[in-house]
Amino acid sequence: AQKVTQAQTEISVVEKEDVTLDCVYETRDTTYYLFWYKQPPSGELVFLIRRNSFDEQNEISGRYSWNFQKSTSSFNFTITASQVVDSAVYFCALEDPGGYNKLIFGAGTRLAVHP
Amino acid sequence: DADVTQTPRNRITKTGKRIMLECSQTKGHDRMYWYRQDPGLGLRLIYYSFDVKDINKGEISDGYSVSRQAQAKFSLSLESAIPNQTALYFCATSGPGRASQETQYFGPGTRLLVL
Repeated sequence: AQKVTQAQTEISVVEKEDVTLDCVYETRDTTYYLFWYKQPPSGELVFLIRRNSFDEQNEISGRYSWNFQKSTSSFNFTITASQVVDSAVYFCALEDPGGYNKLIFGAGTRLAVHP
Repeated sequence: DADVTQTPRNRITKTGKRIMLECSQTKGHDRMYWYRQDPGLGLRLIYYSFDVKDINKGEISDGYSVSRQAQAKFSLSLESAIPNQTALYFCATSGPGRASQETQYFGPGTRLLVL
């Protein structure tokens, strides 16, 4: 069965700290896609990244970086020098292999960045 | 203007009432989805549609129905609302065309409270 686990329910850090959000997934497929979305307090879902299973290179976008490791079925997200604006719920998701682009979401990690 | 819009943004209704949540998109995508978000559970798929003639049940379709009136419009109905349908509802789209592994883009969400 396909499954996404975000074991960290809530994380609290002080501004400028680095923080890593964990994501572990389960899939039987050899080809799959993983996603991260951000949900700020306003409630909308903001797409952050899409990564396919053939590309294990780490991705960096400004203060955001992602570490994809197939050996441990993990796709972790790190925010460097966190800011108050990073406070949000972050969701990791796995594309369902049945087609149609259906997504299987983890439960989310709530990140609170304090001044 | 937003690419994916949802109306209403907030709705309070009473048990037993029929309500409809509407979703429109200007992205030209074929695929549309309805999810609900509950605290601690992430997002779960209710229904999805590949095109106007294609409607499919998701993980939690009981108590819901949908209508794909046009490529750009996908409505979710609660035939007889009950309190445990209180949630945040998201519409999403992906595309273009029928290719897989495309990113889903989400509407702003509809907060529904069933009393």
